[in-house]
Amino acid sequence: KAGVTQTPRYLIKTRGQQVTLSCSPISGHRSVSWYQQTPGQGLQFLFEYFSETQRNKGNFPGRFSGRQFSNSRSEMNVSTLELGDSALYLCASSPGTGVVGTEAFFGQGTRLTVV
Amino acid sequence: AQSVAQPEDQVNVAEGNPLTVKCTYSVSGNPYLFWYVQYPNRGLQFLLKYITGDNLVKGSYGFEAEFNKSQTSFHLKKPSALVSDSALYFCAVRPPGSSNTGKLIFGQGTTLQVKP
Repeated sequence: KAGVTQTPRYLIKTRGQQVTLSCSPISGHRSVSWYQQTPGQGLQFLFEYFSETQRNKGNFPGRFSGRQFSNSRSEMNVSTLELGDSALYLCASSPGTGVVGTEAFFGQGTRLTVV
Repeated sequence: AQSVAQPEDQVNVAEGNPLTVKCTYSVSGNPYLFWYVQYPNRGLQFLLKYITGDNLVKGSYGFEAEFNKSQTSFHLKKPSALVSDSALYFCAVRPPGSSNTGKLIFGQGTTLQVKP
């Protein structure tokens, strides 16, 4: 069974630009969550999509947005990039329904550097 | 507010010795608790979880964790550490009432250094 795939692995962008990151979940999983990992703030929850709808949202500004397609693939967009957006962005896949307490499976992440 | 605390930034242990990585949580109700490990430039790998039942949970690579409701703790343990266990470890909680959502609250992480 293929794991969670995130593309691209590395990105370098300039302040003010926008960026789109992609995540393909494990086949059959309908929930995709996004996290930002930085040395100072640790792992912070951005949002979760389930069946093409945002189900949960963290405390990030509106510059951070996402969407989910009918095949459960998800994209995350960050507009008007700031230096502080430099981070490892992780995507997590889970069934989203069914058995209680199932664990989430993470992709390898996209390393975004804003210069 | 719901939170997870990992009080130690780094834990150092000699190979072959037992290890403990500490985690305490603050949530209302009964939480779902998880441990993940992260190797450099990689994503998170699931180690184990506590949902309900036996307080001692066994997971991957010989790791186990003990759930203690009265102390609101979920410490990760291993009887005999390996150099290859050196990595960054995260404790996480899925808040009550969100049993099937992908939202996790993470601790700050603990770097485990196992020396030969």
